[in-house]
Amino acid sequence: QVQLVQSGAEVKKPGASVKVSCKASGYTFTGYYMHWVRQAPGQGLEWMGWINPNSGDTNYAQKFQGRVTLTRDTSFSTAYMELSRLRSDDTAVYYCATGYCSNGVCPPWGQGTLVTVSS
Amino acid sequence: DIQMTQSPSSLSASVGDRVTITCQASQDINNYLNWYQQKPGKAPKLLIYDASNLETGVPSRFSGSGSGTDFTFTISSLQPEDIATYYCQQYDNLLTFGGGTKVEIK
Repeated sequence: QVQLVQSGAEVKKPGASVKVSCKASGYTFTGYYMHWVRQAPGQGLEWMGWINPNSGDTNYAQKFQGRVTLTRDTSFSTAYMELSRLRSDDTAVYYCATGYCSNGVCPPWGQGTLVTVSS
Repeated sequence: DIQMTQSPSSLSASVGDRVTITCQASQDINNYLNWYQQKPGKAPKLLIYDASNLETGVPSRFSGSGSGTDFTFTISSLQPEDIATYYCQQYDNLLTFGGGTKVEIK
């Protein structure tokens, strides 16, 4: 079964960091770029960046440059998103997703991880 | 960056109606266009990929068309379970999403 399973909800204080994991199964982890997307309450979808699980290369949205770090562990088919210097407006559901299909295989999005930033 | 302009932002239709949503890209995206359905508290679910391909298991009342910069998503006969927000997404260069269309029953 092709799936992405994310870590659980987090509550953080302003200024702290959070690290969310995304474990892939049922497909070749290194065969698809992994994107991270967030959705603030009641808002649309916002792309944060991607990582190439094969090479480790990354590309970040300008808005998050310097605050977000994407990594992966190919031994565990897991991708990670770390966001630092958290602010209240970082409260959102964070998703991992490949965002595309290859040879008819379309891995579904992760279930999402709610990150709440509150003092 | 590629911008995606989706319209309308919301619509209200009756059960059985034909529903159409459009998405315009700021440049040619080579048909690298997906359509998603999102229900409250859930992750987006892929319905259409590469502009016109129906994802496995998705009802045939959903369809997509278009090329270049202009794309259309259609529900041929709206059902109560189709109440959701729909998003287009390009992946020709990075990922960009349309603003979403909230579909309600009249």
